[in-house]
Amino acid sequence: KAGVTQTPRYLIKTRGQQVTLSCSPISGHRSVSWYQQTPGQGLQFLFEYFSETQRNKGNFPGRFSGRQFSNSRSEMNVSTLELGDSALYLCASSRAGISSPLHFGNGTRLTVT
Amino acid sequence: DQQVKQNSPSLSVQEGRISILNCDYTNSMFDYFLWYKKYPAEGPTFLISISSIKDKNEDGRFTVFLNKSAKHLSLHIVPSQPGDSAVYFCAAGNTGANSKLTFGKGITLSVRP
Repeated sequence: KAGVTQTPRYLIKTRGQQVTLSCSPISGHRSVSWYQQTPGQGLQFLFEYFSETQRNKGNFPGRFSGRQFSNSRSEMNVSTLELGDSALYLCASSRAGISSPLHFGNGTRLTVT
Repeated sequence: DQQVKQNSPSLSVQEGRISILNCDYTNSMFDYFLWYKKYPAEGPTFLISISSIKDKNEDGRFTVFLNKSAKHLSLHIVPSQPGDSAVYFCAAGNTGANSKLTFGKGITLSVRP
C-alpha cells in the first residue's frame, strides 16, 4: 500500500512569491491535515480537510490556504512568501481524522530567500 | 498558549536501559494521546496511542502511561536500542467533531551503544 506522497521534496522561493505544495493521501483515507515544522516549534497545525471540506484551521494568517479534491488529494498554497515561512511542511492522512492515527508524508522543505 | 509541553528537549540513555519521555498537557478536553517518532528527512511515524479511558497501553518495547489528574503522560522504551535514536513527539486531541491534534515540540532521544 503506497504511503502519503508529497511533492516536491524541496523548494526554494523568493520573498513575495507564492508556492503550491501537493499531497496524495493513502488510498481510502479521506482526511488530510497539513503541519508546519520549524526548529524549536514542533509541528504546528495548519488545517484539515475531510471530503473536500475544511474541517479545522490553525492559527496561521490568510496567506496560507488549502483545498482538497474529490480524489482526496490536497494542495496547500502560501502567497506573498516571507522569510519566516521557511520550514518543513508535512501532510498527513487518516481514515476519519484524529481518532485514527495520522500517516505522514516525508514533507516538503521550503526555503524562502 | 502551548497546550502540549515536552519540557526536556533531549535525552541520552545507554543501550539496553529504559528511556522515559515525558509530556504534559493543559487542556482537560483532550481525550486521545499519541506518540510519534521522527527520523531526519522523514515524516513522523505513529508509535502508540492511548485513550483517556485507560491509564496504560503497551506495544512491544513501548508503553505509554497516562495520569489524567496530573495531565501527564509518559512513553517508556524498554530496552532502548540505538535505532530508537530519533525525535519523539507527543500529541493530544479531542475525538469530537472538528477536533485537531496538538503536538509538543519534541524530544531528541539518543541511545548510546
